[in-house]
Amino acid sequence: KAGVTQTPRYLIKTRGQQVTLSCSPISGHRSVSWYQQTPGQGLQFLFEYFSETQRNKGNFPGRFSGRQFSNSRSEMNVSTLELGDSALYLCASSLFDRNTGELFFGEGSRLTVL
Amino acid sequence: QKEVEQNSGPLSVPEGAIASLNCTYSDRVSQSFFWYRQYSGKSPELIMSIYSNGDKEDGRFTAQLNKASQYVSLLIRDSQPSDSATYLCAVEGGATNKLIFGTGTLLAVQP
Repeated sequence: KAGVTQTPRYLIKTRGQQVTLSCSPISGHRSVSWYQQTPGQGLQFLFEYFSETQRNKGNFPGRFSGRQFSNSRSEMNVSTLELGDSALYLCASSLFDRNTGELFFGEGSRLTVL
Repeated sequence: QKEVEQNSGPLSVPEGAIASLNCTYSDRVSQSFFWYRQYSGKSPELIMSIYSNGDKEDGRFTAQLNKASQYVSLLIRDSQPSDSATYLCAVEGGATNKLIFGTGTLLAVQP
């Protein structure tokens, strides 16, 4: 059974650009969550989606947005990139219809903003 | 006050010893508690979940929960060098119903 797949794995952008990250959950999983991981702040919650609906949102500015498609795949977008957006962005999927905390994480997309 | 607090470590223990990792949380109505392990350069993986007060054992791992003290711990018995990783405490439920992670404790098991 394939795990959570995130693309791209690595990317480099410059300030002011925008970026879109993609996540394919484990087959049958309908809940997808996104986290930002940095050395200083640890794992910070961005969003949670279930059945194409955003059920929860973290304390990030409006430059961070996301969506989920009918096949449960999810994307997140960051516009007007800032240096501080450099981080590992992790997607996680869950089997259950609510966030039970039993998450399966992808390998992440490492974003570097120059 | 951070929502979920952990000592960043590193916590260094000799091989075969018991490693004790601690976590406190601020939201008194939190319902579910988890320990994730993250090896360097890898993504987190769930190793334990606990939902009620007391101890829960799974192999060499024991999770302990004390809701009155808002305290969760993870004990690793017979620690092995392969246990060397960052251990993340995560708390779900409460007022926000979000899964909130601590910043993690780095465990180093010395051979």
